[in-house]
Amino acid sequence: SQWGEENLQALSIQEGEDVTMNCSYKTYTTVVHWYRQDSGRGPALIILIRSNEREKRSGRLRATLDTSSQSSSLSITAAQCEDTAVYFCATDWDSGYNKLTFGKGTVLLVSP
Amino acid sequence: DPKIIQKPKYLVAVTGSEKILICEQYLGHNAMYWYRQSAKKPLEFMFSYSYQKLMDNQTASSRFQPQSSKKNHLDLQITALKPDDSATYFCASSRTGGRNTGQLYFGEGSKLTVL
Repeated sequence: SQWGEENLQALSIQEGEDVTMNCSYKTYTTVVHWYRQDSGRGPALIILIRSNEREKRSGRLRATLDTSSQSSSLSITAAQCEDTAVYFCATDWDSGYNKLTFGKGTVLLVSP
Repeated sequence: DPKIIQKPKYLVAVTGSEKILICEQYLGHNAMYWYRQSAKKPLEFMFSYSYQKLMDNQTASSRFQPQSSKKNHLDLQITALKPDDSATYFCASSRTGGRNTGQLYFGEGSKLTVL
């Protein structure tokens, strides 16, 4: 899980494997964003799941949201080397002007 | 072509000096933001602007001053630089502002090192 005081997490898998990253958040949020960040680049949104959705899919990506446990997960099916990146979840629980609060991130390394 | 242009990509400054980070977006968005990412902390919200007006400020220090000369520009002036200011500063934008307005688009970042 990437929230709170946990250190930056790292996962190392082989190409073709499935992987799930978890994120827990502090309080009510209307939306959970999942971003990926490639080395030397800015974060890019990969999937966004709203509080009225329990699951969202986009290609090989699947996000879930459990508002009762204040947690979200991002799964990648049949990971590929190009999925290697840092993945962040972000929420808008701190009600501000589109003020997103980011988790520490999960470093995913996919090896051939 | 990048739609959010940040300049410079890398910069080195001495303690006590001043720098300006430039950001221009060509997405036609009405809201712009600054976020900071350092080795010690996750990506942190700093400022949000909507139609060139400051909407939210999470930065305690007045040494950080955003400047918006045009709707698609949001520069960040940092004065009296300290080594702790070393970080990558990301500019971002969204179609509109307000809570829960959807996707943020980020620039490539400006990596600042303060010696």
